[in-house]
Amino acid sequence: QSVLTQAPSASGTPGQRVTISCSGSTSNIGSNTVEWYQQLPGTAPKLLIYSNNQRPSGVPDRFSGSRSGTSASLAISGLQSEDEADYYCESWDDSLMSVVFGGGTKLTVL
Amino acid sequence: QVQLQESGPGLVKPSQTLSLTCTVSGGAINSGGYYWSWIRQHPGKGLQWIGYNYNSGSSYYNPSLKSRVIISVDTSNNQFSLRLRSVTAADTAIYYCARAGNIYGANAFDIWGQGTVVSVSS
Repeated sequence: QSVLTQAPSASGTPGQRVTISCSGSTSNIGSNTVEWYQQLPGTAPKLLIYSNNQRPSGVPDRFSGSRSGTSASLAISGLQSEDEADYYCESWDDSLMSVVFGGGTKLTVL
Repeated sequence: QVQLQESGPGLVKPSQTLSLTCTVSGGAINSGGYYWSWIRQHPGKGLQWIGYNYNSGSSYYNPSLKSRVIISVDTSNNQFSLRLRSVTAADTAIYYCARAGNIYGANAFDIWGQGTVVSVSS
């Protein structure tokens, strides 16, 4: 079981807005930044969001992140078929002294 | 731009040591402020941080693997490496090398290798 909790699956139709949630605790999300990664099938993960809500250059503004208390969310607006992928949240855990990941959410575009 | 490439044996026998190397191209590994990292993904599962070496100096490890792992940096060859001893079938995974730090923060892995599959079997 992962330190950060994500729903195993999510889905949406093209053009829709979907939200993927990540739940943690005071020792990780509650006191450290959250990052989000997109992993397309058969490829390495790609940094999507850093420092809770910042996008690296080249990431479309359809992707946005937020953090509130011990939870974080990734929102994808204007859903496209190429957004079908696994999404992982990640943070640092002060108690474990370790980088921790969520279990991942598999996004299906219907 | 900086690119990472993993290399090493795809098959390791149980109880032996898994050794992988990540070659950094397009930039100097000792340019400062980076965390050179290893992350693995068990078949069909999520991501697990193994550890990183910061700034070609101190290393930090996942507590669950700490007793078996060494991550080191070879600045002369612009590479960093992973050694995981006493492997079992549970260490079968895709192993990724990755970079964090500097622009995006200590735990934001902005560059990844393509990954290498390592199987532990006799």
